[in-house]
Amino acid sequence: GESVGLHLPTLSVQEGDNSIINCAYSNSASDYFIWYKQESGKGPQFIIDIRSNMDKRQGQRVTVLLNKTVKHLSLQIAATQPGDSAVYFCAENIDSGGSNYKLTFGKGTLLTVNP
Amino acid sequence: GAGVSQSPSNKVTEKGKDVELRCDPISGHTALYWYRQSLGQGLEFLIYFQGNSAPDKSGLPSDRFSAERTGGSVSTLTIQRTQQEDSAVYLCASSRDKSNYGYTFGSGTRLTVV
Repeated sequence: GESVGLHLPTLSVQEGDNSIINCAYSNSASDYFIWYKQESGKGPQFIIDIRSNMDKRQGQRVTVLLNKTVKHLSLQIAATQPGDSAVYFCAENIDSGGSNYKLTFGKGTLLTVNP
Repeated sequence: GAGVSQSPSNKVTEKGKDVELRCDPISGHTALYWYRQSLGQGLEFLIYFQGNSAPDKSGLPSDRFSAERTGGSVSTLTIQRTQQEDSAVYLCASSRDKSNYGYTFGSGTRLTVV
Protein backbone atom coordinates (compact mmCIF):
# COMPACT_ATOMS: atom_id res chain seq x y z
CA GLY A 1 0.00 0.00 0.00
CA GLU A 2 0.88 3.66 -0.03
CA SER A 3 3.42 4.22 2.71
CA VAL A 4 3.10 7.99 2.61
CA GLY A 5 0.19 7.76 5.04
CA LEU A 6 2.20 6.16 7.86
CA HIS A 7 3.64 9.52 8.91
CA LEU A 8 0.49 11.55 8.56
CA PRO A 9 -2.20 12.60 11.01
CA THR A 10 -4.97 10.03 10.78
CA LEU A 11 -8.72 10.08 11.17
CA SER A 12 -10.70 6.89 11.47
CA VAL A 13 -14.50 6.96 11.13
CA GLN A 14 -17.34 4.52 10.77
CA GLU A 15 -19.15 4.26 7.46
CA GLY A 16 -22.12 6.61 7.46
CA ASP A 17 -20.65 9.03 9.99
CA ASN A 18 -19.65 12.56 9.12
CA SER A 19 -15.93 13.35 8.86
CA ILE A 20 -14.20 16.62 9.60
CA ILE A 21 -10.64 17.16 8.40
CA ASN A 22 -8.84 20.25 9.60
CA CYS A 23 -6.06 22.36 8.19
CA ALA A 24 -4.24 25.37 9.59
CA TYR A 25 -2.54 27.80 7.27
CA SER A 26 0.08 30.34 8.15
CA ASN A 27 -0.11 33.15 5.63
CA SER A 28 -2.89 35.68 6.18
CA ALA A 29 -2.31 36.90 2.60
CA SER A 30 -3.55 33.60 1.15
CA ASP A 31 -6.70 34.21 -0.84
CA TYR A 32 -7.59 30.87 -2.37
CA PHE A 33 -7.81 27.44 -0.86
CA ILE A 34 -8.34 23.97 -2.30
CA TRP A 35 -8.94 20.53 -0.89
CA TYR A 36 -7.47 17.56 -2.73
CA LYS A 37 -8.06 13.85 -2.27
CA GLN A 38 -5.24 11.42 -2.99
CA GLU A 39 -5.91 7.72 -3.22
CA SER A 40 -3.14 5.18 -3.03
CA GLY A 41 -1.01 5.18 -6.16
CA LYS A 42 -2.81 8.10 -7.73
CA GLY A 43 -2.26 11.81 -8.10
CA PRO A 44 -4.25 14.33 -6.03
CA GLN A 45 -7.80 14.91 -7.22
CA PHE A 46 -9.57 18.26 -6.86
CA ILE A 47 -12.51 18.15 -4.43
CA ILE A 48 -13.61 21.69 -3.66
CA ASP A 49 -12.22 25.19 -3.45
CA ILE A 50 -13.03 28.42 -1.67
CA ARG A 51 -11.92 32.02 -1.98
CA SER A 52 -11.09 34.22 0.96
CA ASN A 53 -14.19 36.39 0.48
CA MET A 54 -16.33 33.41 1.50
CA ASP A 55 -16.53 31.45 4.73
CA LYS A 56 -18.46 28.43 3.53
CA ARG A 57 -18.94 26.55 0.31
CA GLN A 58 -20.86 23.35 -0.32
CA GLY A 59 -20.46 20.63 -2.87
CA GLN A 60 -21.83 17.16 -3.21
CA ARG A 61 -21.51 15.61 0.28
CA VAL A 62 -18.63 17.99 1.04
CA THR A 63 -18.49 21.38 2.72
CA VAL A 64 -15.47 23.60 3.16
CA LEU A 65 -15.36 26.12 5.98
CA LEU A 66 -12.88 28.97 6.14
CA ASN A 67 -12.11 30.91 9.30
CA LYS A 68 -9.74 33.69 8.37
CA THR A 69 -9.56 35.01 11.92
CA VAL A 70 -7.72 31.93 13.14
CA LYS A 71 -6.40 30.89 9.70
CA HIS A 72 -8.23 27.59 9.76
CA LEU A 73 -9.78 25.53 6.99
CA SER A 74 -11.91 22.43 7.36
CA LEU A 75 -13.41 19.84 5.06
CA GLN A 76 -16.61 18.16 6.13
CA ILE A 77 -17.68 14.94 4.43
CA ALA A 78 -21.24 13.84 5.03
CA ALA A 79 -22.21 10.17 5.29
CA THR A 80 -18.65 8.99 4.81
CA GLN A 81 -18.24 5.99 2.53
CA PRO A 82 -15.41 3.42 2.19
CA GLY A 83 -14.52 5.06 -1.13
CA ASP A 84 -13.69 8.24 0.76
CA SER A 85 -10.67 6.55 2.35
CA ALA A 86 -7.65 8.51 1.13
CA VAL A 87 -5.16 11.19 2.09
CA TYR A 88 -6.68 14.66 2.06
CA PHE A 89 -4.55 17.76 1.45
CA CYS A 90 -5.40 21.39 1.84
CA ALA A 91 -3.58 23.80 -0.44
CA GLU A 92 -3.34 27.57 -0.38
CA ASN A 93 -2.41 30.13 -2.94
CA ILE A 94 -0.12 32.89 -1.85
CA ASP A 95 0.13 35.64 -4.42
CA SER A 96 3.68 36.88 -4.24
CA GLY A 97 4.81 39.21 -6.99
CA GLY A 98 2.68 37.62 -9.66
CA SER A 99 3.59 34.04 -8.83
CA ASN A 100 -0.01 33.25 -8.09
CA TYR A 101 0.02 29.87 -9.78
CA LYS A 102 1.96 28.20 -7.00
CA LEU A 103 0.02 26.19 -4.50
CA THR A 104 1.43 25.50 -1.04
CA PHE A 105 0.27 22.15 0.26
CA GLY A 106 -0.22 20.93 3.79
CA LYS A 107 1.13 17.54 4.83
CA GLY A 108 -2.19 15.77 4.55
CA THR A 109 -4.53 13.73 6.73
CA LEU A 110 -5.16 10.04 6.20
CA LEU A 111 -8.87 9.24 6.40
CA THR A 112 -9.82 5.61 7.00
CA VAL A 113 -13.45 4.61 6.75
CA ASN A 114 -14.40 1.43 8.60
CA PRO A 115 -17.30 -0.58 7.17
CA GLY B 1 -5.40 12.68 -23.99
CA ALA B 2 -8.12 12.31 -21.38
CA GLY B 3 -5.81 13.02 -18.47
CA VAL B 4 -2.26 13.87 -17.52
CA SER B 5 0.01 10.95 -18.33
CA GLN B 6 3.33 10.33 -16.62
CA SER B 7 6.00 7.79 -17.36
CA PRO B 8 7.48 5.66 -16.06
CA SER B 9 5.15 4.99 -13.15
CA ASN B 10 8.04 3.54 -11.16
CA LYS B 11 11.77 4.00 -11.53
CA VAL B 12 14.55 2.44 -9.49
CA THR B 13 17.99 3.82 -10.18
CA GLU B 14 21.44 3.59 -8.71
CA LYS B 15 22.92 6.53 -6.88
CA GLY B 16 24.87 8.72 -9.29
CA LYS B 17 22.86 7.82 -12.39
CA ASP B 18 20.78 10.30 -14.38
CA VAL B 19 17.02 9.85 -14.79
CA GLU B 20 14.39 11.38 -17.04
CA LEU B 21 10.73 11.62 -16.08
CA ARG B 22 8.11 12.39 -18.68
CA CYS B 23 4.80 14.23 -18.52
CA ASP B 24 2.11 14.46 -21.18
CA PRO B 25 -0.36 17.18 -20.16
CA ILE B 26 -3.98 17.40 -21.17
CA SER B 27 -4.31 18.61 -24.74
CA GLY B 28 -4.88 22.35 -24.85
CA HIS B 29 -3.58 23.02 -21.35
CA THR B 30 -1.00 25.76 -21.56
CA ALA B 31 0.21 25.60 -17.97
CA LEU B 32 2.29 22.67 -16.68
CA TYR B 33 3.66 22.12 -13.20
CA TRP B 34 6.04 19.69 -11.55
CA TYR B 35 5.73 18.93 -7.84
CA ARG B 36 7.61 16.51 -5.62
CA GLN B 37 6.02 14.47 -2.84
CA SER B 38 8.38 13.00 -0.31
CA LEU B 39 7.40 10.31 2.18
CA GLY B 40 4.86 11.66 4.66
CA GLN B 41 5.05 15.15 3.24
CA GLY B 42 2.87 17.47 1.23
CA LEU B 43 3.64 18.48 -2.29
CA GLU B 44 6.67 20.67 -2.97
CA PHE B 45 6.61 22.99 -5.98
CA LEU B 46 9.48 22.44 -8.42
CA ILE B 47 8.88 24.23 -11.71
CA TYR B 48 6.14 25.88 -13.78
CA PHE B 49 5.73 26.34 -17.54
CA GLN B 50 3.22 28.69 -19.13
CA GLY B 51 2.99 28.83 -22.91
CA ASN B 52 6.12 30.33 -24.44
CA SER B 53 7.08 32.28 -21.33
CA ALA B 54 10.28 31.60 -19.44
CA PRO B 55 9.64 28.87 -16.86
CA ASP B 56 9.61 29.56 -13.14
CA LYS B 57 12.41 27.32 -11.87
CA SER B 58 12.46 28.73 -8.36
CA GLY B 59 11.46 25.45 -6.72
CA LEU B 60 14.18 23.25 -8.17
CA PRO B 61 16.23 22.05 -5.18
CA SER B 62 19.64 21.99 -6.86
CA ASP B 63 21.36 22.42 -10.20
CA ARG B 64 21.15 18.66 -10.69
CA PHE B 65 17.48 19.21 -11.50
CA SER B 66 16.32 20.59 -14.83
CA ALA B 67 13.18 20.49 -16.93
CA GLU B 68 12.11 21.36 -20.39
CA ARG B 69 8.89 21.54 -22.28
CA THR B 70 9.02 20.95 -25.99
CA GLY B 71 6.48 22.43 -28.36
CA GLY B 72 4.38 23.64 -25.46
CA SER B 73 3.23 20.12 -24.71
CA VAL B 74 5.35 17.25 -23.39
CA SER B 75 7.68 18.01 -20.48
CA THR B 76 10.73 16.13 -19.24
CA LEU B 77 12.18 16.47 -15.74
CA THR B 78 15.82 15.39 -15.58
CA ILE B 79 17.72 14.61 -12.42
CA GLN B 80 21.46 14.22 -12.84
CA ARG B 81 23.74 12.29 -10.51
CA THR B 82 20.81 11.10 -8.42
CA GLN B 83 21.11 10.99 -4.63
CA GLN B 84 19.11 8.97 -2.13
CA GLU B 85 17.32 12.10 -0.94
CA ASP B 86 15.88 12.45 -4.44
CA SER B 87 13.68 9.43 -3.76
CA ALA B 88 10.08 10.66 -3.92
CA VAL B 89 6.98 10.69 -6.06
CA TYR B 90 7.25 13.27 -8.82
CA LEU B 91 3.88 14.65 -9.84
CA CYS B 92 3.01 16.60 -12.93
CA ALA B 93 -0.12 18.71 -13.33
CA SER B 94 -1.60 20.86 -16.05
CA SER B 95 -4.26 23.54 -16.27
CA ARG B 96 -5.81 25.69 -18.97
CA ASP B 97 -3.96 28.76 -17.83
CA LYS B 98 -2.32 30.09 -14.74
CA SER B 99 -5.55 31.46 -13.36
CA ASN B 100 -7.12 28.02 -13.16
CA TYR B 101 -5.83 26.65 -9.89
CA GLY B 102 -7.84 23.45 -10.20
CA TYR B 103 -4.92 21.59 -11.64
CA THR B 104 -5.33 18.07 -13.01
CA PHE B 105 -2.58 15.86 -11.67
CA GLY B 106 -1.04 12.78 -13.21
CA SER B 107 -0.49 9.64 -11.16
CA GLY B 108 3.15 10.45 -10.67
CA THR B 109 6.47 8.69 -11.05
CA ARG B 110 7.79 6.98 -7.93
CA LEU B 111 11.55 7.36 -8.00
CA THR B 112 13.70 5.19 -5.75
CA VAL B 113 17.43 5.82 -5.61
CA VAL B 114 19.40 2.89 -4.19
